[in-house]
Amino acid sequence: NAGVTQTPKFRILKIGQSMTLQCAQDMNHNYMYWYRQDPGMGLKLIYYSVGAGITDKGEVPNGYNVSRSTTEDFPLRLELAAPSQTSVYFCASSYRLAPQETQYFGPGTRLLVL
Amino acid sequence: AQKITQTQPGMFVQEKEAVTLDCTYDTSDPSYGLFWYKQPSSGEMIFLIYQGSYDQQNATEGRYSLNFQKARKSANLVISASQLGDSAMYFCAMREGRRSNFGNEKLTFGTGTRLTIIP
Repeated sequence: NAGVTQTPKFRILKIGQSMTLQCAQDMNHNYMYWYRQDPGMGLKLIYYSVGAGITDKGEVPNGYNVSRSTTEDFPLRLELAAPSQTSVYFCASSYRLAPQETQYFGPGTRLLVL
Repeated sequence: AQKITQTQPGMFVQEKEAVTLDCTYDTSDPSYGLFWYKQPSSGEMIFLIYQGSYDQQNATEGRYSLNFQKARKSANLVISASQLGDSAMYFCAMREGRRSNFGNEKLTFGTGTRLTIIP
């Protein structure tokens, strides 16, 4: 199993540009998440999904959109990039709704908006 | 109020010594889970250990153990016999909510502790 994969690893955007961060998992996990990590900080939840076709906002959703058309994929869309979106983005997944279920993280996408 | 507090921004520890990383949490929910993740310089998040709020015993995973003091709302990570490869950022995280609650899946993270092991 590849686990959780993310592309690209690194990207530079100009202010106002758009892009999609890709995330895929091959563990047949129902739950998927997008987090952002700002320098020196912990992770904050942007959006999450509990299954194909079902998504919901997390703590910091403004400026982002998501979709979940398949169990495997959970792309994150930035429509009008702003310098405040400079961050490292992590995608994660977990199998079921259980208190002890851990989330498995992808390697991250480092995004720089200039 | 901060849900997860890690008061040690950085720590330096001699190789082979034990180290304790502090974590306190705040919740009014009786059902919750506490996690520790390691983030090496390569950037990925690695799950280390889990403690449930109803677990009677402290969790252990190899050299990692969790010192869970429920009344004090603390969940400190203890690493025994530290190694150079333990140098990394360490994050404490919490999941609140009962098993049946839809949407209570998010992890709330602390700001992390940067651990440096000195040879």
